[in-house]
Amino acid sequence: QVQLQASGPGLVKSSETLSLTCTVSGGSISNYYWTWIRQPPGKGLEWIGYIYHSGSTNYNPSLRSRVTISVDTSRNQFSLKLSSVTAADTAMYFCARGTDYRGHLDYWGQGSLVTVSS
Amino acid sequence: DIQLTQSPSSLSASIGDTVTITCRASQNIFPYLNWYQQKPGKAPKLLIYAVSSLPSGVPSRFSGSGFGTDFGLTISSLQPEDFASYYCQQIYSPPWTFGQGTKVEIK
Repeated sequence: QVQLQASGPGLVKSSETLSLTCTVSGGSISNYYWTWIRQPPGKGLEWIGYIYHSGSTNYNPSLRSRVTISVDTSRNQFSLKLSSVTAADTAMYFCARGTDYRGHLDYWGQGSLVTVSS
Repeated sequence: DIQLTQSPSSLSASIGDTVTITCRASQNIFPYLNWYQQKPGKAPKLLIYAVSSLPSGVPSRFSGSGFGTDFGLTISSLQPEDFASYYCQQIYSPPWTFGQGTKVEIK
């Protein structure tokens, strides 16, 4: 059974960089689209972007200037960096597996709450 | 970006009821429409993919339908564990976007 576990600091200061890592277990990181989604408290879901195991990426244009998603196939991990954060970036951050370029998200991590403080 | 509008935003229903949630897209997205269920404090769970396909393990009381820009999620005979929020998602054209969500509450 594939499992995803997001981890990282729960508190980030305004203007600094948010960093999260998602560890994939129970399956290979190859041949899937590894995705980050976020959800501000009490609000809906926002797609941040994905990375293919080869390293190709696709980002939400609304965040593209601040987002970097990377993959470490040797550790079965992928990571998210979001720079110059503000209070608007406070959210639950989920990692998930996409089955294809236009694939559904079939496995999700439990989420990592990140609060941006001033 | 493709906009998805769900209706209603919330609904109250009783155990055993049949409910339908609709999702309207700002352009044709067929068949790239998925549905997710989210319970409080939990990650979303895939419920329906490609408009009407059920992943393994999802009860058959859930069904999806639609074409073009208009889609629906129907839950037949609501069970206690179905009270949750539901989101549609389009994967027709990036950025992938979600509907604003529909909260299904107990009447």
